[in-house]
Amino acid sequence: SQTIHQWPATLVQPVGSPLSLECTVEGTSNPNLYWYRQAAGRGLQLLFYSVGIGQISSEVPQNLSASRPQDRQFILSSKKLLLSDSGFYLCAWNAWGSLFSPLHFGNGTRLTVT
Amino acid sequence: GENVEQHPSTLSVQEGDSAVIKCTYSDSASNYFPWYKQELGKRPQLIIDIRSNVGEKKDQRIAVTLNKTAKHFSLHITETQPEDSAVYFCAASILEYGNKLVFGAGTILRVKS
Repeated sequence: SQTIHQWPATLVQPVGSPLSLECTVEGTSNPNLYWYRQAAGRGLQLLFYSVGIGQISSEVPQNLSASRPQDRQFILSSKKLLLSDSGFYLCAWNAWGSLFSPLHFGNGTRLTVT
Repeated sequence: GENVEQHPSTLSVQEGDSAVIKCTYSDSASNYFPWYKQELGKRPQLIIDIRSNVGEKKDQRIAVTLNKTAKHFSLHITETQPEDSAVYFCAASILEYGNKLVFGAGTILRVKS
């Protein structure tokens, strides 16, 4: 069966520091991968999605970036964090090529920028 | 691009009553509409989904209806229980490579016992 791992679970970082969040998927090949952000009490904002290695689409302008160095690995990064980057970050995957494949979310990373 | 609106933003019901959450979408090409439940501090989890060629789908106390002409779909929870309390998100698919989902803003459902 497929599983998605996301770490760390919580992170407290000072303003201006770098960020690296990692997500890996097991049990499937060539998944679509996504990064969502959820501010406190708010909805799910799509940040990036990827349909293959090295293929990243950005949804909103920001100081975050994403990379997909391997088929089942998706990384969210920042060179300098802002206070507004605080939130709950969720990695997700669904099956490539399937019009009706639901999203499966990781457990999320709660990021607090101080 | 696709836009999904969800109402109400909060909903309080008495245990045993029904709850209805409504969503509208803008892209007539969308063809997949899942609903997610998110408990406090947890990840969203799929509870039910419907495809565009189906008007209604049920799973025990949960049902979803879809009106493609009007571009709206709804989640119905009957005989609500305290454990139904959570945030519920609707979503609509975009026919791009990844079948990208656009989410509604969420509904906080509180079931009072």
